[in-house]
Amino acid sequence: DSGVTQTPKHLITATGQRVTLRCSPRSGDLSVYWYQQSLDQGLQFLIQYYNGEERAKGNILERFSAQQFPDLHSELNLSSLELGDSALYFCASSLGLGGRETQYFGPGTRLLVL
Amino acid sequence: GENVEQHPSTLSVQEGDSAVIKCTYSDSASNYFPWYKQELGKRPQLIIDIRSNVGEKKDQRIAVTLNKTAKHFSLHITETQPEDSAVYFCASSSGPGGYNKLIFGAGTRLAVHP
Repeated sequence: DSGVTQTPKHLITATGQRVTLRCSPRSGDLSVYWYQQSLDQGLQFLIQYYNGEERAKGNILERFSAQQFPDLHSELNLSSLELGDSALYFCASSLGLGGRETQYFGPGTRLLVL
Repeated sequence: GENVEQHPSTLSVQEGDSAVIKCTYSDSASNYFPWYKQELGKRPQLIIDIRSNVGEKKDQRIAVTLNKTAKHFSLHITETQPEDSAVYFCASSSGPGGYNKLIFGAGTRLAVHP
């Protein structure tokens, strides 16, 4: 157990819908990262937050947004869902901003868009 | 852009043999290189990492080597066991003090046969 929690574990929804994925980092960690894992794209970095502020963006679609709250939990919002958005979404956390810090991954949310 | 190439994509060994997985990165500013093990449907788990101020690191049966001149790093698993069977991902990070996004290789599926 990494100490990072994610809810829900599974999510099934329809095209065009909107969903919210939730992540709680390890106790004391200030940075949260979101990654998408699909069969054809592998593990892709989406976005990073540090202490409530966005710090880095990867290949995140405009239909996707995220935020980190004062209690440091983070939410990833996916809207106007398409079939291709079906994937495993992982959250990871690290202590601070350091470029060489270990990232610990949560158990993931499996999203299926029908 | 930043890219990490990983080889081989699949690797099959007999129990007790050694396994070697190689990765090449493109960003010469990369300074952190973690390796993750992922079992089917589970989260990526950090197994070892190396930072750019060292060339080799060992942890029991697992070792990682780094060649910054050639921009490649490798994972070595000795005395493989069936429970080593999983997908292994290399990654690199080049964030300065402000961020730490991981760029992942495509993964290597390791099968260890009894």
